[in-house]
Amino acid sequence: AQTVTQSQPEMSVQEAETVTLSCTYDTSESDYYLFWYKQPPSRQMILVIRQEAYKQQNATENRFSVNFQKAAKSFSLKISDSQLGDAAMYFCAYRSADSGYALNFGKGTSLLVTP
Amino acid sequence: DGGITQSPKYLFRKEGQNVTLSCEQNLNHDAMYWYRQDPGQGLRLIYYSQIVNDFQKGDIAEGYSVSREKKESFPLTVTSAQKNPTAFYLCASKDRVISGANVLTFGAGSRLTVL
Repeated sequence: AQTVTQSQPEMSVQEAETVTLSCTYDTSESDYYLFWYKQPPSRQMILVIRQEAYKQQNATENRFSVNFQKAAKSFSLKISDSQLGDAAMYFCAYRSADSGYALNFGKGTSLLVTP
Repeated sequence: DGGITQSPKYLFRKEGQNVTLSCEQNLNHDAMYWYRQDPGQGLRLIYYSQIVNDFQKGDIAEGYSVSREKKESFPLTVTSAQKNPTAFYLCASKDRVISGANVLTFGAGSRLTVL
């Protein structure tokens, strides 16, 4: 089974600054998808960004971008120009073909944004 | 508006009682999933269903049961056999069983507390 590791339980960033959240995964598959989800205090899960493994170009969504290193099995999330509304739990996830294409989640990184 | 509705939002249960959490979607999605979230544990897959009248165990199915009699409904029963049922439960769905995009849409969750 694939495992997803987020090594930073908590991170802090000042407003307008940039922060990078780390994620590594373990898999024997060659074609797969990776995701970052955000969970604000409301606890609603919100898709932030996704990356197809066969695409070499890193995905970007406005202030959010990823650094996908397939050989290193690394998938970090960069948040630029951080805003107070970015404060949340961030989960890295891997799409598993083993469980009906469910997502395997890391344990999450709690991001604090300070004024 | 299309989405996933989970009810109740908060539920209290006495030890030894079974309780059923409701999950209804009007997105016409084929696949549905139940996750459990505990502090510091991320999201763990309980059960999933790819089509009506079929479902499979996830990573932590012991003490839980599900049914999928209708495409739009996937209720989860937490039985008295579940040793530590206090948790936040999230239901999710996906539009196609075999899809590269595999974007999960989540409900708002149900918080179960065992007294």
